[in-house]
Amino acid sequence: DTAVSQTPKYLVTQMGNDKSIKCEQNLGHDTMYWYKQDSKKFLKIMFSYNNKELIINETVPNRFSPKSPDKAHLNLHINSLELGDSAVYFCASSPPGLSNSPLHFGNGTRLTVT
Amino acid sequence: SQKIEQNSEALNIQEGKTATLTCNYTNYSPAYLQWYRQDPGRGPVFLLLIRENEKEKRKERLKVTFDTTLKQSLFHITASQPADSATYLCALVVSGYALNFGKGTSLLVTP
Repeated sequence: DTAVSQTPKYLVTQMGNDKSIKCEQNLGHDTMYWYKQDSKKFLKIMFSYNNKELIINETVPNRFSPKSPDKAHLNLHINSLELGDSAVYFCASSPPGLSNSPLHFGNGTRLTVT
Repeated sequence: SQKIEQNSEALNIQEGKTATLTCNYTNYSPAYLQWYRQDPGRGPVFLLLIRENEKEKRKERLKVTFDTTLKQSLFHITASQPADSATYLCALVVSGYALNFGKGTSLLVTP
């Protein structure tokens, strides 16, 4: 009965490869997000999707592309991976009304690029 | 620029004492502020939300205050326990539709 689930939990890959991280939520929320947490533990917004439409695209390289096949899923594709992409990536979801709606996070995907 | 700042130093306290964590923000006037807890290897978990017209909010041993004049929120854990050891994050909507987070304060409660 996991609310927000991400796969895989760990991802180790070499520079230049293309990889995907999957996220699913069973909370019936309209909005889903991708956050990146770097080695200094700073959690930074990357993308937000509302009802399958992109509503935020913070300044991230265009090698990162979110894809939402339906309201319950938001996947993250990363092309031409670089060493600096190593981080923990968190998926989250929330009901409508951002300011006063808590975010529900998955447990993260630790990406290591070698 | 808009910033959210939390104590960068880890906070070590003895079991039973009250832990107080600080969140300061600049160049923004949020209508709401949220607090989250993050354990190692896990995603942040929502704890409390406080509105700008609320001075204080309580939930069990947790208390949050919100001073819009000082642009500061304080997060208190009373009668702290070792199980309260974690990183605590404050968050607010800084721009657009994104909930932005501070860097968090690590709390260690020792028996």
